[in-house]
Amino acid sequence: SHEVTQPPSVSVSPGQTARITCSGDAVPRKFVYWYQQRSGQAPVQVIYEDNKRPSGIPERFSASSSGTMATLTITGTQVEDEADYYCYSTDNSGNYPVFGGGTKLTVL
Amino acid sequence: EVQLVESGGGVVQPGGSLRLSCAASGFIFDDYTMHWVRQAPGKGLEWVSLITWDGRKTYYGDSVKGRFTISRDNNKNSLDLQMNNLRTEDTALYYCAKDSGYGDYCPGSWGQGTLVTVSS
Repeated sequence: SHEVTQPPSVSVSPGQTARITCSGDAVPRKFVYWYQQRSGQAPVQVIYEDNKRPSGIPERFSASSSGTMATLTITGTQVEDEADYYCYSTDNSGNYPVFGGGTKLTVL
Repeated sequence: EVQLVESGGGVVQPGGSLRLSCAASGFIFDDYTMHWVRQAPGKGLEWVSLITWDGRKTYYGDSVKGRFTISRDNNKNSLDLQMNNLRTEDTALYYCAKDSGYGDYCPGSWGQGTLVTVSS
């Protein structure tokens, strides 16, 4: 079955750059999406189709994909960015999506 | 503004059934694929199921296949999830989500969720 893997946690100081990775065999062939979930809230999409930002998402959020790894980058991380981040992709058929296990971003 | 309001959660014994509903508003419901996504307490997101705009295609995650059935009523702007033969591991907050509308099936807007607890 299709899987995408994330590190469980990442820590960064305010103002620094945070990078969260997502790896999977289908990443070279399928788009990767990224979601932010703050504590007690529903997820919010912050990146779609590998590297595009939905309307309303700050420019400090960016992403890229190379080979079997996708990376979410938060430049100039703010305290409010502390959250769980999930990557999302589909299998080769496109019909069976999967979330990564999530990465807890701590800003301290 | 997109609004998705889930209902139907509660406490059920293992082996029991529950039907979740999602009332949608603020967008043209029958233009979009819809998803159910769940999150067990303290755990990550798990995609559960999706149904295409016309209800003709449905897909399920391996953990719920054969036990859950997704359906929609485009006349009522509503999405349902019939859950049968429930297990303790189905305990989770269940989110209804509108597809983003990009080429891939991908949740965009989310509701606040309804909690399902499977326990004896």
